[in-house]
Amino acid sequence: QVHLIQSGAEMRKPGSSVKVACRASGGTFGNYSITWVRQAPGQGPVWMGQIIPLFGFTNYTQRLQGRVTITADESTGTAYMDLVSLKSGDSAVYFCATGELGGPPSHWGQGTQVTVSS
Amino acid sequence: EIVMTQTPLSLSVTPGEAASISCRSSQSLLDSDDGKTYLDWYLQKPGQSPQLLIYTLSYRASGVPDRFSGSGSGSDFTLKISRVEADDVGIYYCMQRVDLPLTFGQGTRLEIK
Repeated sequence: QVHLIQSGAEMRKPGSSVKVACRASGGTFGNYSITWVRQAPGQGPVWMGQIIPLFGFTNYTQRLQGRVTITADESTGTAYMDLVSLKSGDSAVYFCATGELGGPPSHWGQGTQVTVSS
Repeated sequence: EIVMTQTPLSLSVTPGEAASISCRSSQSLLDSDDGKTYLDWYLQKPGQSPQLLIYTLSYRASGVPDRFSGSGSGSDFTLKISRVEADDVGIYYCMQRVDLPLTFGQGTRLEIK
């Protein structure tokens, strides 16, 4: 069973960037996809994008207007979500989740709190 | 993007009784290429990450008790809990993945009476 471990909480100022890591306990993503979702306080989850490490394919939400980049390092079994030009509205818990190709996000990381404040 | 709408937004249930949550999508979630309906259900317990309950309309995820069932078709779906237990408290979300971006419903909060 895949277990995802995310990097710790981050505090950033508006206009800066943040990079959140998500490591697979088995050390590899295999033929799984990695999805990133964020959740603002009291709100539902919002899909940010996904990557299929095996093929290097990525898809992103247009809502973030090109500010997000998702990458994966198969040698370490770690995925990254990079968000730039941060705004206060980006304050949220960020989750990574993995699942079989064509399947749902079935295994989730513990979440990473990102706080954007001046 | 596909809009997901859940009702009710909250419900309070006595242990042992049944509960039902509705989810509607702004367009059909049936994939005409493979005949599958890409609607999933998640439960987010307080302070935890979402956990998968039901995928592809009606398949229970590993370890999910058979008290939980998913049904529906096209753009109208239902999650049923046959006998609610105290451990079922949290927020239930439906999610569609027939098309990108994946989108979630606004959530239904289940409380125990």
